[in-house]
Amino acid sequence: DAKTTQPPSMDCAEGRAANLPCNHSTISGNEYVYWYRQIHSQGPQYIIHGLKNNETNEMASLIITEDRKSSTLILPHATLRDTAVYYCIGSITTSGTYKYIFGTGTRLKVLA
Amino acid sequence: DSGVTQTPKHLITATGQRVTLRCSPRSGDLSVYWYQQSLDQGLQFLIQYYNGEERAKGNILERFSAQQFPDLHSELNLSSLELGDSALYFCASSVAPLPVEQYFGPGTRLTVT
Repeated sequence: DAKTTQPPSMDCAEGRAANLPCNHSTISGNEYVYWYRQIHSQGPQYIIHGLKNNETNEMASLIITEDRKSSTLILPHATLRDTAVYYCIGSITTSGTYKYIFGTGTRLKVLA
Repeated sequence: DSGVTQTPKHLITATGQRVTLRCSPRSGDLSVYWYQQSLDQGLQFLIQYYNGEERAKGNILERFSAQQFPDLHSELNLSSLELGDSALYFCASSVAPLPVEQYFGPGTRLTVT
């Protein structure tokens, strides 16, 4: 089971890169790391996921350490609209089924 | 807009009552997931259905049940409601049985008085 640990809050200046760390030291070899964010009480929004290699999409980059015990989500140019709670999610794998395990997340505040 | 719809948006009911929350997944998605988000518990996975069949179960109470219908919409039934059931209930959907990329609905806010 991949339990994740994240700092409870972070601030970032607008226009700068926001680097959000996540520890998932119990992750097993075939378990992905997922990132979602939640703005206010809206439904969480998928950002990115990865297994071993670094990943990039139009929203963010995901850097996973070689030992897979931690990862960093990078928002390259944070805007005020990126203020949200960011969840690094592990999963439980049981008989071929997967369940997301949301932690408490990191509350990112982007400052003007 | 994720394409996932949930009704109603808000629901206020009394303890002991029963309510039904409804979710319509994105067009083409076969999996539906239900989550509960309360202030003290964070986001908790409840249950997943894939193409009409229960696929995975999380921390769902026995007083709660769900189903997915042939048209793929899903309903979450909550009975014998308690004050502690007050929460945001989210539905999410994905194409595949694995929750690699889930699309969440706007949620139903349930208040039990």
